[in-house]
Amino acid sequence: NAGVTQTPKFQVLKTGQSMTLQCAQDMNHNSMYWYRQDPGMGLRLIYYSASEGTTDKGEVPNGYNVSRLNKREFSLRLESAAPSQTSVYFCASARDRAMNTEAFFGQGTRLTVV
Amino acid sequence: GQQVMQIPQYQHVQEGEDFTTYCNSSTTLSNIQWYKQRPGGHPVFLIQLVKSGEVKKQKRLTFQFGEAKKNSSLHITATQTTDVGTYFCAGYTGTASKLTFGTGTRLQVTL
Repeated sequence: NAGVTQTPKFQVLKTGQSMTLQCAQDMNHNSMYWYRQDPGMGLRLIYYSASEGTTDKGEVPNGYNVSRLNKREFSLRLESAAPSQTSVYFCASARDRAMNTEAFFGQGTRLTVV
Repeated sequence: GQQVMQIPQYQHVQEGEDFTTYCNSSTTLSNIQWYKQRPGGHPVFLIQLVKSGEVKKQKRLTFQFGEAKKNSSLHITATQTTDVGTYFCAGYTGTASKLTFGTGTRLQVTL
């Protein structure tokens, strides 16, 4: 049982390049999330998906797009990377909002934009 | 929008000392969850509180949820080096699936 799997683990981009961060969970969870973590800023929500086919903006959505491809997968795309997007990105999933269930996190993607 | 702040941002204690982190939300929370992130790792769920005024204990850790469901605290008694990490509170508001995390408190424990 892998839980939440994120790829890649590390990435260096040049300003203006695009890339997609992949996330997949095998726990049959309904909710999925993308967070970014910067020193002193905690975990800030970028986008979330309450169920397959729905996505909603979080606190810091600008510069990002997401796709809930199916129940298992939730990808995060940077169309034109900027140095301000240098961060550690975490994907998380939770079974059901109505059940107030805990979130399970992936190992994170460390992204550097130069 | 909703904001969840934690204080202190950083605390350094000697092993055996107590530690407390406080979590304050700008809006009423449906529940409060606490997570621990070890250095270089990812957040891992510790506990959830749902009821106003609820108190739960896990060995040396005591968690409280405020009466107004807008604040919470985590107290660690007699810290150990294994307690090192960043502690986050998180919560849902209303009926949305949006899970908002606090700013975190980084705990350093030295011998």
